[in-house]
Amino acid sequence: GQQLNQSPQSMFIQEGEDVSMNCTSSSIFNTWLWYKQDPGEGPVLLIALYKAGELTSNGRLTAQFGITRKDSFLNISASIPSDVGIYFCAGQSNFGNEKLTFGTGTRLTIIP
Amino acid sequence: NAGVTQTPKFQVLKTGQSMTLQCAQDMNHEYMSWYRQDPGMGLRLIHYSVGAGITDQGEVPNGYNVSRSTTEDFPLRLLSAAPSQTSVYFCASRTSLAGTEQFFGPGTRLTVL
Repeated sequence: GQQLNQSPQSMFIQEGEDVSMNCTSSSIFNTWLWYKQDPGEGPVLLIALYKAGELTSNGRLTAQFGITRKDSFLNISASIPSDVGIYFCAGQSNFGNEKLTFGTGTRLTIIP
Repeated sequence: NAGVTQTPKFQVLKTGQSMTLQCAQDMNHEYMSWYRQDPGMGLRLIHYSVGAGITDQGEVPNGYNVSRSTTEDFPLRLLSAAPSQTSVYFCASRTSLAGTEQFFGPGTRLTVL
């Protein structure tokens, strides 16, 4: 089946730094999604991307749908303590199978 | 709206016991699903339903049963719990199979001894 490789697995940064993470797929997706999971909670949708090359922002978060449709990137600018959590990418194809495939997550820790 | 609710929040079982994890949504979503989350594995789909009376298997269905008698509820049953089923379980819903914005419940942390 489809697999999503998400990197890095974990990040340790200082408050105020910018963050970048990415997901790559072995096959094409028509939709890319980015979720954030706080400790003890379920994932919450941050950004949805529907078109190759699309760049979408949500506050300090910016995500891009790769041109090849096999990758996506998430950037967080000027990180703050509440950015701590696990970030997941997810891909969805529309070739008769609309199930979401999730990446393994990037754990973001902010060093005081 | 309460969104997606799950009960219980935590559960400890002994090997061989059975139990049902409850999930409900009040958004009139057609599509509901169950995932398990294990360290380093991301979220893996167990079962899903595209509407009342319709269910199908996901990526890791073995050891789990589901039913969908109403639009609102989608319980997950473990008939004979095994230690390999120790995990965090998330229920999710979205408007339809083709929908993209998926809402997750708060999760159930299950430990099987």
